[in-house]
Amino acid sequence: KAGVTQTPRYLIKTRGQQVTLSCSPISGHRSVSWYQQTPGQGLQFLFEYFSETQRNKGNFPGRFSGRQFSNSRSEMNVSTLELGDSALYLCASSIGLTVSGNTIYFGEGSWLTVV
Amino acid sequence: GESVGLHLPTLSVQEGDNSIINCAYSNSASDYFIWYKQESGKGPQFIIDIRSNMDKRQGQRVTVLLNKTVKHLSLQIAATQPGDSAVYFCAEAPLSFGAGTTVTVRA
Repeated sequence: KAGVTQTPRYLIKTRGQQVTLSCSPISGHRSVSWYQQTPGQGLQFLFEYFSETQRNKGNFPGRFSGRQFSNSRSEMNVSTLELGDSALYLCASSIGLTVSGNTIYFGEGSWLTVV
Repeated sequence: GESVGLHLPTLSVQEGDNSIINCAYSNSASDYFIWYKQESGKGPQFIIDIRSNMDKRQGQRVTVLLNKTVKHLSLQIAATQPGDSAVYFCAEAPLSFGAGTTVTVRA
């Protein structure tokens, strides 16, 4: 079956703009989590959604937000973009909540460059 | 806070040799660990996992060892191939990732 799908794969935005990234989980997976990956900070957890509700949240400012739809698809939004937001944004899905020890499977990511 | 870390940021291995990648974790209550492989320009790919009630788990050419006494995790890759060149992450479920070890396979 199809893996985790993220769109767009690459995008360039200007400082101050906002961006929305989309994620379609593996069929049957109800949990979607988002991560930011940068060379300096590695993989950092943003938030996790399950049944359309945010269940966990990392240590990121309120400019980073997300949501999940009834079909488990998820979007994340970053408002008022800063240069430091340039990163690879990864979406991962799992059957259930990650806190329950469910394996997460990653998408290929969305490369965001802020200029 | 709790953290997961890898011992070495880089590892150079001769093709055909075995590779060992190490990881230390700090949360003694953790009961599920995962290894991921990330190739350049791609997302992390699940390799193998292990639960705390096990000491060892084997996959195809990979073995994960868990030592709960010293809170240490390792990934062994047998007969390393050029396609094994990537960054390897250990993850402590839920949601803590090591910084990654870059494995380079020499021909």
